[in-house]
This record gives sequence, structure tokens and C-alpha cells, in this order.
Amino acid sequence: AQKITQTQPGMFVQEKEAVTLDCTYDTSDPSYGLFWYKQPSSGEMIFLIYQGSYDQQNATEGRYSLNFQKARKSANLVISASQLGDSAMYFCAMRALFFGNEKLTFGTGTRLTIIP
Amino acid sequence: DTGVSQNPRHKITKRGQNVTFRCDPISEHNRLYWYRQTLGQGPEFLTYFQNEAQLEKSRLLSDRFSAERPKGSFSTLEIQRTEQGDSAMYLCASSPRVRGDGETQYFGPGTRLLVL
Repeated sequence: AQKITQTQPGMFVQEKEAVTLDCTYDTSDPSYGLFWYKQPSSGEMIFLIYQGSYDQQNATEGRYSLNFQKARKSANLVISASQLGDSAMYFCAMRALFFGNEKLTFGTGTRLTIIP
Repeated sequence: DTGVSQNPRHKITKRGQNVTFRCDPISEHNRLYWYRQTLGQGPEFLTYFQNEAQLEKSRLLSDRFSAERPKGSFSTLEIQRTEQGDSAMYLCASSPRVRGDGETQYFGPGTRLLVL
């Protein structure tokens, strides 16, 4: 079984500052993938970034980067130069990478508010 | 390419009534997923289809819940004899036939259910 823990229920950040959203995970699967999603008030889950457990380098996608520390079982999301449009709920999720497994396991999320 | 669509977007019903939600996945995506998201929580996996075959069901999917994907395209999720605890956002997602480990599930905007 997999478990995702997000310990920050809410964060307030000044516009243009960088922000780190914490995510720790627990799994006994040897191979897994970690995902971050953004959920604005409209409800749709928007994919941001992916990190495979076998990847040697941290993933980056534009202003998003994933600080992956496998030994500590953490996969923190870093947003650089935050913008007002970044205000939303952010969810960390994982999927064990074995044949036939399609289930994504999500954390409880962090509500990020960007202050002008 | 249009995204995943879900109808209705909102549903208010009285306890004991039956409700049905529809999900139209991205064209040619053969995998389709249903998740439930209650207030303050991340999405929880309910069930998964590959084409018309329902391959996995969560124990969260009680006997009152049934999902179908009869022709391998759109899917319906029916809840019979609704209870107040069924109030939640019901999210549908799809993913393509051929994909890498990092391929996300593409989420729709969700159907928000309120049971009075």
C-alpha cells in the first residue's frame, strides 16, 4: 500500500517569491512514480510534474521543479517566481509502477495563496 | 484535442434517490478512471476501465455504486439510494493506450454531488 503525507494545510506567499510545498511518501514497491497536480477552484486536476523513482536527476518543468530525496522519501514541489495565478490547491500523488496498476494515491493537499 | 468532459457539473438530490453521472474521455484514450474527492481530502480511487472491461474496483465502491463503459468510450457512474455521506466531487480521468510511466491521467472538471 502507498501513503502520501502533505503536512502543510495552507501557505501564504508573497508574489514573485519561491515556494516549497512538502510531500513525503511511504511505499514498499521498488519502482514508483510521483506526480504533482494543481486544483484551482474550478475543480479540474492539472498535471504539473512527474518524477520516477529510478530517475537520477530531479524533474523540472518551467517554473516547477521537484526536489526528490529518495532516502528521505520526500518529493517536494518548488515553484519559482510565484504568480497570482498559482493560488490553488496542490496535491502530491504516487503510483506504483508494476504491470496492471493504474491507481493513483493522493495526499490531502496544500492550499497555496499568493499575496500581491 | 478536447479534454475529458463530465455531466452534469453539479447535482443536488434528496437522500434515497438514484443519480447517474456521465464521463466522456479524451478521444482514443482506452483507460478511464473514477475518483471521489470529499471536502478537505485528495481524490480517492474508485474504479478503472480498460476499454469496456472494468479491471479494478476499490472497496470504497459499495454495492450501491455501479460503473459501466459499455462501448469502451463514455462511462457512467450510478449511485443508488443516495446517502448524505455520498456528497462529494466525482472526478473522471482518462489516459492513452500507449504511454510511458510518467504519462499522467487527464482529469475532467468533476461532478459535484450534494445529497440533502
